[in-house]
Amino acid sequence: SQTIHQWPATLVQPVGSPLSLECTVEGTSNPNLYWYRQAAGRGLQLLFYSVGIGQISSEVPQNLSASRPQDRQFILSSKKLLLSDSGFYLCASRRGRAGTGELFFGEGSRLTVL
Amino acid sequence: DQQVKQNSPSLSVQEGRISILNCDYTNSMFDYFLWYKKYPAEGPTFLISISSIKDKNEDGRFTVFLNKSAKHLSLHIVPSQPGDSAVYFCAASESSYGQNFVFGPGTRLSVLP
Repeated sequence: SQTIHQWPATLVQPVGSPLSLECTVEGTSNPNLYWYRQAAGRGLQLLFYSVGIGQISSEVPQNLSASRPQDRQFILSSKKLLLSDSGFYLCASRRGRAGTGELFFGEGSRLTVL
Repeated sequence: DQQVKQNSPSLSVQEGRISILNCDYTNSMFDYFLWYKKYPAEGPTFLISISSIKDKNEDGRFTVFLNKSAKHLSLHIVPSQPGDSAVYFCAASESSYGQNFVFGPGTRLSVLP
C-alpha cells in the first residue's frame, strides 16, 4: 500500500503570510495526487488534484495554489494567507494509470491563521 | 449544493449492537462509493467500497448496502466496538476511474461501553 508523508503537522501563521505544505508519496509511481481541506465541522473539500508532473486541476477558486515538481511530491502554497484558510489540510494519493481504487490519505496538516 | 449528504451529524450506539450510518447522494452519475473512518488529528482511513453493479459488499464487521434507485447507501457495523468511535465519511465518484471524490460532511459515531 501507499504511504503519504505530510509536513508540517501543525502550523500557526499570521494573516498575509505565505504558506507551503509539502506532501510526498511512497509505495507507488505515477500516482494521482490530491489536496483536500476539512474546515471545522465540515466534510472534505477537494482543492486540487494532479494526474502527473506539472499537471494541476483546481476545483475551487481561492488564493491557494498547488504544484507538482516531481512524480511523488505535491505542494500546497499561498502567497498571502486569509483567516478563512484555517483548517485541516489533507494530501491524498491514488494509483495513477491503473486508475481505480481508494484514496490513501496522509496524517494531515493543521493550519491556524491568526 | 451538497452532492453527498450525511444527515446525521452524530450517532451513539451501545457496544455490541449494530451501528447504521447513512448517506444520500444527488448525482445520478455517481457509481462508485467509499466509506472512510477518521480519528481526530489524523488522516481518514479507507474502510470499504462498493460499485453500482452491486447492492452489497461485506468485509468482516463492515457491510455497505447500496440502493441506486433511492440514491442511498448505508454502512453497517456489527458488532460495534468502542474503537469504532470516530467520524465516518461517505464519498462518491462518477466511476472507479474518476478523479474527483466528493465527500459527505461526516457522521460522528460514539460506541458506548
